[in-house]
Amino acid sequence: SQQGEEDPQALSIQEGENATMNCSYKTSINNLQWYRQNSGRGLVHLILIRSNEREKHSGRLRVTLDTSKKSSSLLITASRAADTASYFCASSSGGSYIPTFGRGTSLIVHP
Amino acid sequence: IAGITQAPTSQILAAGRRMTLRCTQDMRHNAMYWYRQDLGLGLRLIHYSNTAGTTGKGEVPDGYSVSRANTDDFPLTLASAVPSQTSVYFCASSAQGRDEQFFGPGTRLTVL
Repeated sequence: SQQGEEDPQALSIQEGENATMNCSYKTSINNLQWYRQNSGRGLVHLILIRSNEREKHSGRLRVTLDTSKKSSSLLITASRAADTASYFCASSSGGSYIPTFGRGTSLIVHP
Repeated sequence: IAGITQAPTSQILAAGRRMTLRCTQDMRHNAMYWYRQDLGLGLRLIHYSNTAGTTGKGEVPDGYSVSRANTDDFPLTLASAVPSQTSVYFCASSAQGRDEQFFGPGTRLTVL
């Protein structure tokens, strides 16, 4: 069963626009991660946010975490065609460090 | 080798055949994982290993076995392949005590 669920399932935007993806989870987490997967490739780690953090930045990426709502969001600012990929959230909880992945959001950025 | 490698890249296999997917990492990570990725289902954990000599079952372990004889290698074996094992298989690793996972390029397996 999926711990995290991304929303929307698919997102199509124009280059230069911001892209926001959301992730909801069911149980209290230790941390939450976001990964990117380009077509036909393995996943690449983007950012990790711990349960006691509310916001993290990495370049054009901004991740927020709201533990009261059991949700996280990934914002990609000034999107580029190269950002076209699937994005997954993954969370670990309890004593396990093994994250459980959601089904992903497919992002298409049109040039 | 840089990171994680998987072999083969793709394979078509007759049902009932035995198949071993290979995974090797050169980062000296203690933990390694096998996932399968199916359309609409995301990634599901098959088996994992916290350190050399130990393995554990994930969410969908049936029909698969693993071994971890050393730090670098983590092969996944399908003893008798079935069509429902058609999927893309990803191997990943992480350093002990850290959660960030590094993924291999994947193996696309088709069982006919």
